[in-house]
Amino acid sequence: DTGVSQDPRHKITKRGQNVTFRCDPISEHNRLYWYRQTLGQGPEFLTYFQNEAQLEKSRLLSDRFSAERPKGSFSTLEIQRTEQGDSAMYLCASSLANQMNTEAFFGQGTRLTVV
Amino acid sequence: GDSVTQMEGPVTLSEEAFLTINCTYTATGYPSLFWYVQYPGEGLQLLLKATKADDKGSNKGFEATYRKETTSFHLEKGSVQVSDSAVYFCALVGANSKLTFGKGITLSVRP
Repeated sequence: DTGVSQDPRHKITKRGQNVTFRCDPISEHNRLYWYRQTLGQGPEFLTYFQNEAQLEKSRLLSDRFSAERPKGSFSTLEIQRTEQGDSAMYLCASSLANQMNTEAFFGQGTRLTVV
Repeated sequence: GDSVTQMEGPVTLSEEAFLTINCTYTATGYPSLFWYVQYPGEGLQLLLKATKADDKGSNKGFEATYRKETTSFHLEKGSVQVSDSAVYFCALVGANSKLTFGKGITLSVRP
């Protein structure tokens, strides 16, 4: 399978716990994005990487959120001290960003439920 | 900053009806424009794209034309099918190379 894969697909956690999600992009893609999507809304940008460099981080992302892409390949998104408002679908996408018009390919997402 | 505005939904149509979903954008420079689709239980997929003014993107019977003068990228299909039922998102990539989405609109097609 050469698509974007995310793990886990579903995560239920208790409030206050830490969670970590993983994204494996398409292998030759140098750009990787994280988005959050809640019911009835479009994907909201969280952050993105060009290779291992984190180029932009949304103001939506509190200091409880951190993302890494240590070797410019897979990425992790960690949420510390989860809150009920963090419940959402977390989407990862990748693209070959040598041109502005390049298509981004999305993974199936990780659905987080904080109870 | 960049933004995308889509018409309010949901939209319910009968099979073979004509579809228009409106999308307008605000961006500096010359963004690339996209329509993504999310079928029930599936991830986001690119439906079509246009990279410069007056370009027309097309796929699966859907079309959208990049109109710089009206900053619009409306999605159209001449005859919808039940299988087109999904959520449709308009999006752009601007000068900052970030993909920005509209809120999406749910389309339901009745047999």
